[in-house]
Amino acid sequence: DAGITQSPRHKVTETGTPVTLRCHQTENHRYMYWYRQDPGHGLRLIHYSYGVKDTDKGEVSDGYSVSRSKTEDFLLTLESATSSQTSVYFCAITSGSTGELFFGEGSRLTVL
Amino acid sequence: SQQGEEDPQALSIQEGENATMNCSYKTSINNLQWYRQNSGRGLVHLILIRSNEREKHSGRLRVTLDTSKKSSSLLITASRAADTASYFCATDANFGNEKLTFGTGTRLTIIP
Repeated sequence: DAGITQSPRHKVTETGTPVTLRCHQTENHRYMYWYRQDPGHGLRLIHYSYGVKDTDKGEVSDGYSVSRSKTEDFLLTLESATSSQTSVYFCAITSGSTGELFFGEGSRLTVL
Repeated sequence: SQQGEEDPQALSIQEGENATMNCSYKTSINNLQWYRQNSGRGLVHLILIRSNEREKHSGRLRVTLDTSKKSSSLLITASRAADTASYFCATDANFGNEKLTFGTGTRLTIIP
């Protein structure tokens, strides 16, 4: 299994509070991604990173920010959580050479 | 908008039968990938087929790609209860392998 861990795995928070999800990898892969998964929508890309301090937006980036200060860590921040951000968030990594993504186990976020 | 759309949304078959699911996409691609997701888990890569390939096999999996119709199919032969999962196609239409877009998935249930 690829060395990728997400934390926390489960979180319940209230509307308006900040939330940070962490993705940690031990594979030294260049590319890291944050997706959200919602019923009827499949997986949608939020943000991705192609190197330290190099990030770009995905299709559903509004309300989210990311940071990557080290190769191994990719943080997803919700500055002020809303109920529409209740979802399961997946981090994924790839070396880019084959395109195969390795996924973490997901972080289930509930915003009340 | 989603690049890939799977069909059917849900499929139930008897153990031992073959399962076929389809994926349609909208724009030209470099490659198409299939992933499996067991309930409550992250996605796992199954197979990648490049745009210049028409068919690919991996164990009990057979994937076809028809770029003229912008469609792909995943065939699982001799299904097993452990094949019960959701299956997603993913394409790299936008910026090459570094940015995959996923479909909404097919939920496959194998009846023992």
